[in-house]
Amino acid sequence: AQSVAQPEDQVNVAEGNPLTVKCTYSVSGNPYLFWYVQYPNRGLQFLLKYITGDNLVKGSYGFEAEFNKSQTSFHLKKPSALVSDSALYFCAVRVEGGYNKLIFGAGTRLAVHP
Amino acid sequence: GAVVSQHPSWVICKSGTSVKIECRSLDFQATTMFWYRQFPKQSLMLMATSNEGSKATYEQGVEKDKFLINHASLTLSTLTVTSAHPEDSSFYICSASLRSPLISPQHFGDGTRLSIL
Repeated sequence: AQSVAQPEDQVNVAEGNPLTVKCTYSVSGNPYLFWYVQYPNRGLQFLLKYITGDNLVKGSYGFEAEFNKSQTSFHLKKPSALVSDSALYFCAVRVEGGYNKLIFGAGTRLAVHP
Repeated sequence: GAVVSQHPSWVICKSGTSVKIECRSLDFQATTMFWYRQFPKQSLMLMATSNEGSKATYEQGVEKDKFLINHASLTLSTLTVTSAHPEDSSFYICSASLRSPLISPQHFGDGTRLSIL
């Protein structure tokens, strides 16, 4: 069965420092992976996706993610964090077949401190 | 970019009333729309998948008679919470996919916070 794990409930980082939000996955076929961000009382905003190709995926707002097949990971990264990056981040994997629904991780709250 | 509009953003109503939430894709045709429920500080729980012109597919444990979903057109899906009770209070979010959803991201509405008194 497909699943997504985000091992950290919260990540704290100082502004200007690099950040990493971890995600590991389990799928039975090809992994289709996504990162979304959620601000308070809002829906989710799409950041980036991995379908195939280069393992380093670049997305919105300076975020990038590295796909690692051997470690079944898809960690979200940013070289220099901003206070405005503070939000809830979700990793998701698409389930093939049917209506291609998404399975979300539990979410990681990112807190960037000035 | 693709925009999904969800209305209303906030609803407060008495126990026993029915509440309808609309989800519209504003600049694209959405073959498939998804309805999620999110509890405080938790992840999104998929409730059902809605396809234009056909019955919704509900996830296990979701009462289809309680949460009525209609996808009458390629730009509109509605979720009706029937005879709502305080335990139905939650944040409901819809999303929509383009015709080739496998590689296209889902685009999310801003959610509806439902509070049942």
